[in-house]
Formats: sequence, structure tokens, C-alpha cells
Amino acid sequence: VHLQESGPGLVKASETLSLTCSVSGGFVTSDGYHWSWIRQLPGKGLDWIGHVSYNGATYFNPSLKSRATISVDASNNQFSLTLTSVTAADTAVYFCAGTVTTRWFDPWGQGTQVTVSS
Amino acid sequence: EVVLTQSPGTLSLSPGERVTLSCRASETISTYLAWYQHRPGQAPRLLIFGASSRASGIPGRFSGSGSGTDFFLTISSLEPDDFAVYYCQQYGNLPRTFGQGTKVDIK
Repeated sequence: VHLQESGPGLVKASETLSLTCSVSGGFVTSDGYHWSWIRQLPGKGLDWIGHVSYNGATYFNPSLKSRATISVDASNNQFSLTLTSVTAADTAVYFCAGTVTTRWFDPWGQGTQVTVSS
Repeated sequence: EVVLTQSPGTLSLSPGERVTLSCRASETISTYLAWYQHRPGQAPRLLIFGASSRASGIPGRFSGSGSGTDFFLTISSLEPDDFAVYYCQQYGNLPRTFGQGTKVDIK
């Protein structure tokens, strides 16, 4: 399975960030698969945003205070992240990742830089 | 949430050297720990899960150990491709959390 992120590199503060992860070599609806978004804030470690499971169930990091949504688009074999009311603190490299458990992450995409401008 | 503290922050080493990286959890997580390698501009790669099980395709020079709150990643003999940032990640609790990373660079 190979993952590739896409989306705008620049988003204005207070607007909504939308990113897509295209899945190849497998199906986003495959039984037992879970799809996550993870970000790397500047100069810091990795921060797990949340995941959507093959059955549509989702879980999000409480730190995002309900601003995040993750959904699956089976027709295009991709999944997406939406983050509302962005601020400069959301500037990061965003990675998508898959897993056959909800435990660790494998594989990952290469990541996409998102900058929030004022 | 479980806080993971990695040490040291940076290591400067030569190819062929042995290195051990540390990851300490703020509470016990049994062996629910994974390690990743991240080279700049590339996708992070899973190395170890279950604290000590190598992921598919990972060379034998990588080994993980530990349980409870203290974990270690050892690279027995550094190769040029091993100079990267290494992260630990716990899956004993939600939300999943990562350490801040240890950078292994070339001396």
C-alpha cells in the first residue's frame, strides 16, 4: 500500500484546511484497515490527529477540540482531513498513514507542508 | 495522555558505531511501543512494534527492548542510511502519542 497526501500549501487563518490522502496498492474500504492523520509541528515531534476505520468509526485527539473531521471517499479510494478555524499553531507537515491495527502506523505518506497565514 | 521522553536529543556518530536510543513513558504501557525512522523528505518507516518485534523488511541490526516505562532502540552497526530521526510511539492508551525524536547524525 502506498499513500500520497495532497492539498493547498497555504491556508488563511480562521479558514478550513482540507487535505486528501490517495491510496494505491490497496483499498480504503479494506476490512480491518484504519486510516490516520499525523502532523509534525515546526521544531517538535509528531502529533496524532485521529483516525477513521474501515467501518466509518472515527476517533480524534481531544487536543484538537472537535475541529477535525476524517472521512473516507471509497469511489476515489482516498480519505480526507478537514480542520476548521485554523491558526498559525496549525502550521505543520501533515502525514497520512494506514494500519491494520489501531496501534502503530504503517505505511505513511511522505507528508505535505501546510502553512497558515494571517 | 502518555508523555514519551526521548534521549538524547541528538547524537553525532560514525558509520559502524553501535548506538542505543532511549524512550521513557510517563506511565506504564507494558510493551505497547513502536519505533520509527524518518529521513528528511521521506515517509516515516515503522521499525519496531510490540517494543521488540521487527517490522517486515527491517534489517537485523535494529533491535528494540524494554517494557513498562523504559524502552530502547539499538542499532548494532550504523550504516549510511541509518542517519535519520528516530521516534517512539505508544499505543497503550488513547490518544496515541509520540516522543519528540532523537536525531542521529554523522560525526
